[in-house]
Amino acid sequence: GQQLNQSPQSMFIQEGEDVSMNCTSSSIFNTWLWYKQDPGEGPVLLIALYKAGELTSNGRLTAQFGITRKDSFLNISASIPSDVGIYFCAGQGDAGGTSYGKLTFGQGTILTVHP
Amino acid sequence: GAVVSQHPSRVICKSGTSVKIECRSLDFQATTMFWYRQFPKKSLMLMATSNEGSKATYEQGVEKDKFLINHASLTLSTLTVTSAHPEDSSFYICSASNLVDPLDTQYFGPGTRLTVL
Repeated sequence: GQQLNQSPQSMFIQEGEDVSMNCTSSSIFNTWLWYKQDPGEGPVLLIALYKAGELTSNGRLTAQFGITRKDSFLNISASIPSDVGIYFCAGQGDAGGTSYGKLTFGQGTILTVHP
Repeated sequence: GAVVSQHPSRVICKSGTSVKIECRSLDFQATTMFWYRQFPKKSLMLMATSNEGSKATYEQGVEKDKFLINHASLTLSTLTVTSAHPEDSSFYICSASNLVDPLDTQYFGPGTRLTVL
């Protein structure tokens, strides 16, 4: 089945530092998404990527969809304490295929920001 | 924006009882809802896809008789954990999407923490 490999598993950084995490897949995805999850809450969408090679920013967040549609990275610039949480990448399958609409999640990156 | 609610947020039950979890899309019609299960510090695992007015599609390894899903309206899907046991304790999260637009996004509920004693 489809799998997403997300790294690193965890990061401990100082406030103000930049953060980078990435995901790779053995399969091609039509859409790539990055979510953040706070403890005891559901994931919240940060950035959605629809086109191969697409580079998208959302405030201090920047994400890119790989040319091969098999990888993506997320960067967070100038981290702040509220960036703490678990970040997940997720791939969404092609329309009309057996995986239509379904999300496959990466293992998550636990981010800790020290003030 | 699209808001999805879940009820209850937490539930504790005795082994052998059944528990129903509701997932509602508050400001949009959800043709499809998804149910996920998440263990502590682990990723979300898709359990089933629920389409309004039809039977749910379960992922491999998920017992359909154990986890009953009903999607009776465009704003409500329910997950019933039947004859719950301690190993069913987990964080259950739903998401809702209007898949008329293929690029539409899944919006997640806040999750339900189930503890089976």
